[in-house]
Amino acid sequence: QKEVEQNSGPLSVPEGAIASLNCTYSDRGSQSFFWYRQYSGKSPELIMFIYSNGDKEDGRFTAQLNKASQYVSLLIRDSQPSDSATYLCAVNTGGGNKLTFGTGTQLKVEL
Amino acid sequence: EAGVAQSPRYKIIEKRQSVAFWCNPISGHATLYWYQQILGQGPKLLIQFQNNGVVDDSQLPKDRFSAERLKGVDSTLKIQPAKLEDSAVYLCASSLAKPRGETQYFGPGTRLLVL
Repeated sequence: QKEVEQNSGPLSVPEGAIASLNCTYSDRGSQSFFWYRQYSGKSPELIMFIYSNGDKEDGRFTAQLNKASQYVSLLIRDSQPSDSATYLCAVNTGGGNKLTFGTGTQLKVEL
Repeated sequence: EAGVAQSPRYKIIEKRQSVAFWCNPISGHATLYWYQQILGQGPKLLIQFQNNGVVDDSQLPKDRFSAERLKGVDSTLKIQPAKLEDSAVYLCASSLAKPRGETQYFGPGTRLLVL
């Protein structure tokens, strides 16, 4: 079983729609969860992090965490073509600030 | 604030050759990470330093990979000898030395192609 799982996509949404990206993880002891965005040929950049169950909003982005279900998601409202990228879910596993990444979900926002 | 610096940005070598990558973290960041990202996959942690000490190198292929951070600031990652499967982007990241979930900031990466 992979430690962090994401649907590789591509996920296609029309401009202005809500994009929903999902991630599941296997380590119940995980405490911190991160979403990174990676444009093609570029390095990952942090979008959001979440530590507590529930929702966390930052502009057009909302991260949702459900530790009981070992599930974390990212919602992007009013999707723009510039949001087209690969979104990486990362989970702090094993303590010591070690991050385990999923394989990423490719998002395509179409005009 | 300057970000994480890496060099070179690109490197092409033949198998069995050696190669070295350099990373300078964000000023004041005690923790430094080297990741390997193979095309189509997420980054995989190779080694994590706290100041100049190794915190985690469980996924570092120690028969061919080595890394050091002698003065607790910049770091080098070496591959000797390189194999075809080492073709990947090598990402350096840094973070503050807090115990839980501290945000990691990535450098631009070094793209390695082994022929």
